[in-house]
Amino acid sequence: SQKIEQNSEALNIQEGKTATLTCNYTNYSPAYLQWYRQDPGRGPVFLLLIRENEKEKRKERLKVTFDTTLKQSLFHITASQPADSATYLCALSYSSASKIIFGSGTRLSIRP
Amino acid sequence: AAGVIQSPRHLIKEKRETATLKCYPIPRHDTVYWYQQGPGQDPQFLISFYEKMQSDKGSIPDRFSAQQFSDYHSELNMSSLELGDSALYFCASSSTGGGNSYEQYFGPGTRLTVT
Repeated sequence: SQKIEQNSEALNIQEGKTATLTCNYTNYSPAYLQWYRQDPGRGPVFLLLIRENEKEKRKERLKVTFDTTLKQSLFHITASQPADSATYLCALSYSSASKIIFGSGTRLSIRP
Repeated sequence: AAGVIQSPRHLIKEKRETATLKCYPIPRHDTVYWYQQGPGQDPQFLISFYEKMQSDKGSIPDRFSAQQFSDYHSELNMSSLELGDSALYFCASSSTGGGNSYEQYFGPGTRLTVT
């Protein structure tokens, strides 16, 4: 079965720096790789989606890359702010209207 | 903008009781998903419905059942509750039209505590 690993359980960085989170998966590549943000006790919030034939996607301070050869996605937050502190979930989906398989998440803390 | 609505937000039940969780998707979304998230765990997919038909099934116990109604709202019925069923239950919805069918929008969740 598909296994998703996110680089670390927790990441602590200084405000203003770029946060880089890693997502690695086994087995076959998904059609779509997504990143969600989750705050404690709240539902995941969709951030970005990248397709298997795309290398990079940007949205404001966020950037996602997708390397199907390495079976890896990198998620970057530039000019990080304390408000970016949350758990970030990598998620895979294989077809339209199908389930999402989530990774275990990385808890990001941005210190002032 | 309208979001996914879940009710109740909190529910306390005793072992062996029954619980019903409700989900109202974003208007014009035709697909509903249910996820279970235990403490410190990532969300685990339970079941999904597209146009009122079950479209995918995950690790949903036989004690649980779900359906989607004609107005697209969905209910998750849980019977013979066990202590291990205590978790956050999320509903998500998506629209298969417009090319954004892979984006799922999550509700605030129902926190179920079984005592």
